This record gives sequence, structure tokens and C-alpha cells, in this order.
Amino acid sequence: RKEVEQDPGPFNVPEGATVAFNCTYSNSASQSFFWYRQDCRKEPKLLMSVYSSGNEDGRFTAQLNRASQYISLLIRDSKLSDSATYLCVVNSNTGNQFYFGTGTSLTVIP
Amino acid sequence: DAGITQSPRHKVTETGTPVTLRCHQTENHRYMYWYRQDPGHGLRLIHYSYGVKDTDKGEVSDGYSVSRSKTEDFLLTLESATSSQTSVYFCAISESNGGELFFGEGSRLTVL
Repeated sequence: RKEVEQDPGPFNVPEGATVAFNCTYSNSASQSFFWYRQDCRKEPKLLMSVYSSGNEDGRFTAQLNRASQYISLLIRDSKLSDSATYLCVVNSNTGNQFYFGTGTSLTVIP
Repeated sequence: DAGITQSPRHKVTETGTPVTLRCHQTENHRYMYWYRQDPGHGLRLIHYSYGVKDTDKGEVSDGYSVSRSKTEDFLLTLESATSSQTSVYFCAISESNGGELFFGEGSRLTVL
């Protein structure tokens, strides 16, 4: 079983739409959770950390559900510039290893 | 952007040749990582370092070695490159154990 699993998509949504991604993880002792964004042929860039109480950064909202072992990312009012691959990242319970999902592809259509 | 540079950015080599990739940071972060990214697999950890001369293996370490003689440099060596090591290699740094990762721009390696 993979440490982190994501729906690869692709998600094709119109501008202005709301889209949500989920990611499940297998290690219940994991302590840190993140969403990264990766543009084609570029490095991953941190989008936001995910906190137990949930957190919001502008149009982006991240949630953590420890009981069901999943994290989610909600993007409101999608922009063309949101088109990218979104990576779910979970660290090991020892803290020094990170596990990446394979990514969810999003295309925002004019 | 975090000060991380990888070199070379692109390399084509032949099977059996040694290859060294360099990661250089100007952030003075303690933790450094080497990942490879392949279609269908996501990023997978090769080796990481938690201080000068302190390194440990990741999940795909076979065929790779690393060295960290200075805080700012983390070298990844393929002693004898194979075609299965054709990949994009990313270096990442982190200030704290389990903290956010910041990535270099990647090194694209092709082994013929």
C-alpha cells in the first residue's frame, strides 16, 4: 500500500469554479502535512501547510481529518493560473522522511 | 525563493559512467534531501542529510551515494549509471525536522 494516495485526475474546470482534492495517507502517526504545487517541468513549491484545525489562505482551504486519515484542498473561484499539478505531502512519524502523492492535475479552462 | 542551486541542470551520459549532482544552498538549513521524480511514482527519497557528515538512506537508495562535507553542499553520486536512473532529480532543504521543504530547480539526467 502506498504511503500517500491521490486521485491523479485530470480535473478540468471552468474559471470561477470551486474544486476539491483529497489525499489519503497510511501512517496514522504522521505529524506534518502539506500541499505543494508543481508546474510542468518545474520544481514543487509549497502551497500551504495543513493544520489540525484547518487553515485558509485566500482562495485556498486545507483540511485534515486524522480519524479518516485524509487531507483535502479546496480551491474557490479558480483562476487560469491555478492550472498545475497539486501534490499531497505527508511526513513520517519520525519527521525526517516525507512521502509524496503522485499528484492531481488541474486545468482551469477559460 | 530559497537559495538552492543544482548543477548540472541537464546531463546526458552513458551506462556505466559515474555521475555527480551537486546541491548548493545559501540558507544554512540543517536538513538536505535528494529526491527523484518519475511518472506514476511521485517524488521518492533517495538519501537525506541531517547535518555535516550525517546522512541516511531513503526508500530508493540502491545505486546512489551521498556526501555532505559542508553545510551548504550535498552531493549525489551515481557510481555506475544505469538506464533505470534516468530521471529528474530534485534537491530539497528544510530548516527543521519535519518542517517545510524547499526545492531546487531540478537536474534532468538521461542515461543512454
